[in-house]
Amino acid sequence: DTEVTQTPKHLVMGMTNKKSLKCEQHMGHRAMYWYKQKAKKPPELMFVYSYEKLSINESVPSRFSPECPNSSLLNLHLHALQPEDSALYLCASSQEAPTRGFRYGYTFGSGTRLTVV
Amino acid sequence: RKEVEQDPGPFNVPEGATVAFNCTYSNSASQSFFWYRQDCRKEPKLLMSVYSSGNEDGRFTAQLNRASQYISLLIRDSKLSDSATYLCVVNNLTNSGYSTLTFGKGTMLLVSP
Repeated sequence: DTEVTQTPKHLVMGMTNKKSLKCEQHMGHRAMYWYKQKAKKPPELMFVYSYEKLSINESVPSRFSPECPNSSLLNLHLHALQPEDSALYLCASSQEAPTRGFRYGYTFGSGTRLTVV
Repeated sequence: RKEVEQDPGPFNVPEGATVAFNCTYSNSASQSFFWYRQDCRKEPKLLMSVYSSGNEDGRFTAQLNRASQYISLLIRDSKLSDSATYLCVVNNLTNSGYSTLTFGKGTMLLVSP
């Protein structure tokens, strides 16, 4: 199993809603990541979890709240989002922990396309 | 200077053509380098890692020049299915000692019949 699975694939939410994005991998990868990608822009790093601990928070607003219940799962809880938060949210995992260089890169999930109305 | 710079293109080439993309990076301490491919409205997928000695995978050849801080990707005998955006990706160490991947904006390739 060499996949990173993200659900849902599409999500439309109002600015007062609370929703969660889910990500799962069963490759035994040690690190998991949330990226945000706007149209015609590169993916931008949001959070990094290494061995289930939050290692990096790239100054992301508190309306985005990550959670790593175990080594295979990564959630992103959303609350009081703004229309400008509409984007493709990508989860990724890496075989190597983010404390050294990567030989193998990341494996990305297919993403959740989020629209905030 | 941006961390990872690429010509956004698009590069319009006929089937069978050879096309090359370049990418420059600003951090001389960068450790690992990759090319990812991203199709429209899809996730990025790893195309190949880039090694100092250069490496080849079928029709694709990647080169790294550490002295000049640039990476290249050569695609030979282009296929229609090669049409995509090619992202140059560089591994950097953050101030906190963690390693993350930084993505270029991508170069769009359009292969026509």
